[in-house]
Amino acid sequence: DTGVSQNPRHKITKRGQNVTFRCDPISEHNRLYWYRQTLGQGPEFLTYFQNEAQLEKSRLLSDRFSAERPKGSFSTLEIQRTEQGDSAMYLCASSVGAVNEQYFGPGTRLTVT
Amino acid sequence: AQSVAQPEDQVNVAEGNPLTVKCTYSVSGNPYLFWYVQYPNRGLQFLLKYITGDNLVKGSYGFEAEFNKSQTSFHLKKPSALVSDSALYFCAVRDIAGYSTLTFGKGTMLLVSP
Repeated sequence: DTGVSQNPRHKITKRGQNVTFRCDPISEHNRLYWYRQTLGQGPEFLTYFQNEAQLEKSRLLSDRFSAERPKGSFSTLEIQRTEQGDSAMYLCASSVGAVNEQYFGPGTRLTVT
Repeated sequence: AQSVAQPEDQVNVAEGNPLTVKCTYSVSGNPYLFWYVQYPNRGLQFLLKYITGDNLVKGSYGFEAEFNKSQTSFHLKKPSALVSDSALYFCAVRDIAGYSTLTFGKGTMLLVSP
């Protein structure tokens, strides 16, 4: 069990560019979650997958954001036409089922200049 | 909608003294409750959870939390604080029936002085 991993750990991009983040969950965890965390706030839910199906999306997830989890393994979160307001830490978590605790990765810090 | 309140931005305690980090929640039904800790430049780490059963839940690193349904609270406690406990603590809730995602509080910074 190597834990949840996320790549890259840091990303600096210019406004208007597209960025893609990757999350590798703990193997055998069927649920995968994406959160966004800004300074002084707790994580805010963005979306989650059960296996390869995206089951819920937050209203925070604008149409510039898209997430995939092909084959129910790793997941990618893409942000198109980035804006300065997208600067945040993007966290990925995974769990076994809905009741059990979620295990978080170290996050990807996005800075939009 | 479900929500979590952590009324203290920061809690200061001397090493060896007991600590309490407060959390209150709001859900329409029965709650699942969690505590996580975040160290600098590291991801959130799970501490403990309440699903059902005993109101006093024991978790990692000597932490425990007490579920109080009437007060809708889930305060985190430790009998004797360590300097290494200094970190950012988050309480989270999800409704058993309905929302399947976690809602987090804003976090409480715990500072333990030597």
